[in-house]
Amino acid sequence: QKEVEQNSGPLSVPEGAIASLNCTYSDRGSQSFFWYRQYSGKSPELIMSIYSNGDKEDGRFTAQLNKASQYVSLLIRDSQPSDSATYLCAVTDTGGFKTIFGAGTRLFVKA
Amino acid sequence: SQTIHQWPATLVQPVGSPLSLECTVEGTSNPNLYWYRQAAGRGLQLLFYSVGIGQISSEVPQNLSASRPQDRQFILSSKKLLLSDSGFYLCAWTEQGLSGYTFGSGTRLTVV
Repeated sequence: QKEVEQNSGPLSVPEGAIASLNCTYSDRGSQSFFWYRQYSGKSPELIMSIYSNGDKEDGRFTAQLNKASQYVSLLIRDSQPSDSATYLCAVTDTGGFKTIFGAGTRLFVKA
Repeated sequence: SQTIHQWPATLVQPVGSPLSLECTVEGTSNPNLYWYRQAAGRGLQLLFYSVGIGQISSEVPQNLSASRPQDRQFILSSKKLLLSDSGFYLCAWTEQGLSGYTFGSGTRLTVV
């Protein structure tokens, strides 16, 4: 059973701080890794994708991938109350057709 | 630009009734299409995916079925709903390859 594990949280950070979200996965053949943001009652929205080891930055978001450790993380700099949401880690399996989602980490940013 | 439409937004159905949820994608051709279900407070469970017209792969054996009668249309159906079918149903598409998903707005189904 291929799995994606996340700490369910909630993770609470003050406004302006860095939020750090972590994820591990079991399928060593995975090639694509994603972070989605889901506001309460809404559908998930893709915010970051990463395909190779290292860091990828997009605005206030940085995704980090370590395939040897089977570990993916998302850093949110200068956190804002509008960042309060559930963040889903997702990993595409070896075949490339299916994406497995973690259960998500709830983030609260306190003003 | 590409858009994905999913309807209805909410649905309350009695146990044993049929179900039909529809999803259409515009602005692209030959997309990979997916149906996921999210139970309250839980992660996303992959139900079906399709890489082409008439090609359906099922991930979870249950009383649901899916069809893809046209390139950009994906339908989720059931002949008889169970209480356990309640949840948030999400349609998603991606281009062929390894890109991320774009989700529809979802259908919140409550079986009573």
